[in-house]
Amino acid sequence: DVKVTQSSRYLVKRTGEKVFLECVQDMDHENMFWYRQDPGLGLRLIYFSYDVKMKEKGDIPEGYSVSREKKERFSLILESASTNQTSMYLCASSQSGTGVGETQYFGPGTRLLVL
Amino acid sequence: GQNIDQPTEMTATEGAIVQINCTYQTSGFNGLFWYQQHAGEAPTFLSYNVLDGLEEKGRFSSFLSRSKGYSYLLLKELQMKDSASYLCAVRGRKGGSYIPTFGRGTSLIVHP
Repeated sequence: DVKVTQSSRYLVKRTGEKVFLECVQDMDHENMFWYRQDPGLGLRLIYFSYDVKMKEKGDIPEGYSVSREKKERFSLILESASTNQTSMYLCASSQSGTGVGETQYFGPGTRLLVL
Repeated sequence: GQNIDQPTEMTATEGAIVQINCTYQTSGFNGLFWYQQHAGEAPTFLSYNVLDGLEEKGRFSSFLSRSKGYSYLLLKELQMKDSASYLCAVRGRKGGSYIPTFGRGTSLIVHP
């Protein structure tokens, strides 16, 4: 079974703090994604990576950066947390290629509260 | 850009059949996924369509019409545990990559 883990289930931070969210997958997947999920807005893509050290902006990259130094690990960084970044953050991974092999496997999510 | 539309909420009775629709506009269509997400949990894969037609998997079926930009998820013999959010995700071209874009999800409430 594919396993995607995230470093924290719940996190409380103060405005202006630097926040690191870690994601690790154990299936040697090439692709990794960071989403945020907000009520009424669904899953929105922040960044994705299709290889080590490669990253691409998603739909809402502002205020975030990412790092992928190893294939299994994809980190999301909030350089200076703001209250509007309070959200549920979901990491996902998938194989490269086409078809059903691109099914995404999601981590359990990190619920971040910025005060 | 991509635009995906699905109903916000649906209710149905245990044992019944429910159809959740998804319409989309995308460039470079390359597959459509349905995911199920229970409250407080991660989304999990339900089905995948890339060619027109119906894919059946037990109580769940998914249909795709590429010419109409339309898909539906059909759930038969509804059970209480089917109460969840159902997410439609369309893979389309973004820059040099194909990535999935999610709809806002349909919250399904199954009552006795």
